[in-house]
Amino acid sequence: EVQLLESGGDLVQPGGSLRLSCVASGFTFSSDAMSWVRQAPGKGLEWISGISARTGTTYVVDSVKGRFTVSRDNSKDTLYLQMSSLRPEDTAVYYCAKGLRNWFDSWGQGTLVTVSS
Amino acid sequence: QSVLTQPPSTSGTLGQRVTISCSGSSSNIRTNSVNWYQQLPGTAPKLLLYSNNQRPPGVPDRFSGSKSGISASLVISALQSEDGADYYCATWDDNLNGPLFGGGTKLTVL
Repeated sequence: EVQLLESGGDLVQPGGSLRLSCVASGFTFSSDAMSWVRQAPGKGLEWISGISARTGTTYVVDSVKGRFTVSRDNSKDTLYLQMSSLRPEDTAVYYCAKGLRNWFDSWGQGTLVTVSS
Repeated sequence: QSVLTQPPSTSGTLGQRVTISCSGSSSNIRTNSVNWYQQLPGTAPKLLLYSNNQRPPGVPDRFSGSKSGISASLVISALQSEDGADYYCATWDDNLNGPLFGGGTKLTVL
């Protein structure tokens, strides 16, 4: 059974930094592209970043470009999202999802990031 | 323009057929397959349909999908009480160079 377990969400002040982690199990992590999708309170889903399986090519939406960096450690079956220069509008539940170019076939339970002073 | 447009809400009664539309453009739906996600209240999204009309294991066959031109549709053939949820279409967008979600449709079962 595929499992994705996010962690690292917290309350952080504007301008601060945070690193999210997503530990994967139940599939060959190194063979699958992975993504981060966020959902602001009461809003819809927004894909923000993804990373390919083997080459590690990264993709990022313009709204977080230069502030967020996705990475992966295939030896630890872990996906990361390094977030800096956080803004109140970055407040959301952040989901780790398996997939990128095609579809997201598995999702984690999400981790809440709150940016507020 | 990188936007997928869905109706914000819809409703139906038990057993009714319900359709949710998703309108895009030549940079997304016209050239890429569409996927649908179901998000029950307070839970993470779940893949409902992929590649326009394929159901993952465990998804009831009352859920179906189609795509034509720059539009796609999700059809629930006979609405059940447990289908009350938010539904999102999604596809790859060539301008965005990434996946794009629709704004979501809240389905209420009356």
